[in-house]
Amino acid sequence: EIVLTQSPTTMAASPGEKVTLTCLASSSVNYMYWYQQKSSASPKLLIYYTSILASGVPDRFSGSGSGTSYSLTISSMEAEDAAIYYCLQLTSTPPTFGGGTKLELK
Amino acid sequence: EVQLQQSGPEVGRPGSSVKISCKASGYTFTDYVMNWVKQSPGQGLEWIGWIDPEYGSTDYAEKFKKKATLTADTSSSTAYIQLSSLTSEDTATYFCARSVGNNYYFDYWGQGVMVTVSS
Repeated sequence: EIVLTQSPTTMAASPGEKVTLTCLASSSVNYMYWYQQKSSASPKLLIYYTSILASGVPDRFSGSGSGTSYSLTISSMEAEDAAIYYCLQLTSTPPTFGGGTKLELK
Repeated sequence: EVQLQQSGPEVGRPGSSVKISCKASGYTFTDYVMNWVKQSPGQGLEWIGWIDPEYGSTDYAEKFKKKATLTADTSSSTAYIQLSSLTSEDTATYFCARSVGNNYYFDYWGQGVMVTVSS
């Protein structure tokens, strides 16, 4: 199965700061998907097909990448963005998630 | 409005089974696949498997093939996961999440069900 490694594991950002989260795949994938999870709530779809924003997601979020390297960028950190972010690959069965990046507000 | 309403928290004895539900509304149940995802306490997300409610076809991640059984009742638009031979390793939150097909992204998720295995 494809292993997704997210970095950093934990980080803190100040309001207005640009944030970049990375997801590396053990084999090439066609697309990457990103989810946001707050507290004990269910994950929320942020980005699909690598760079398309899900409905209602603020445009300060963006996704990019190809092959084995993908990233999620928040152009200007806001308090409500504090959460855990997971990447997901669906190219190969079974679908696998990254271990998550915990983003905190500084 | 699409909603996936899951059943309440469960406590199961070691060696027993539990069955949790996910009732879908706001869309045609048979038009989408239902996935199940496990989140152990303080841990990340693991895909368990999916079921196509229209045909009853299923697929499971290897590690869950002997642990989980996925079923669906189209008359009530409800998907189920049964977890058998419970051990402490099964203590986790279980989410249902729909996708337009297998190997498609999960766009709506249930609220999750906490399963606690305890004697």
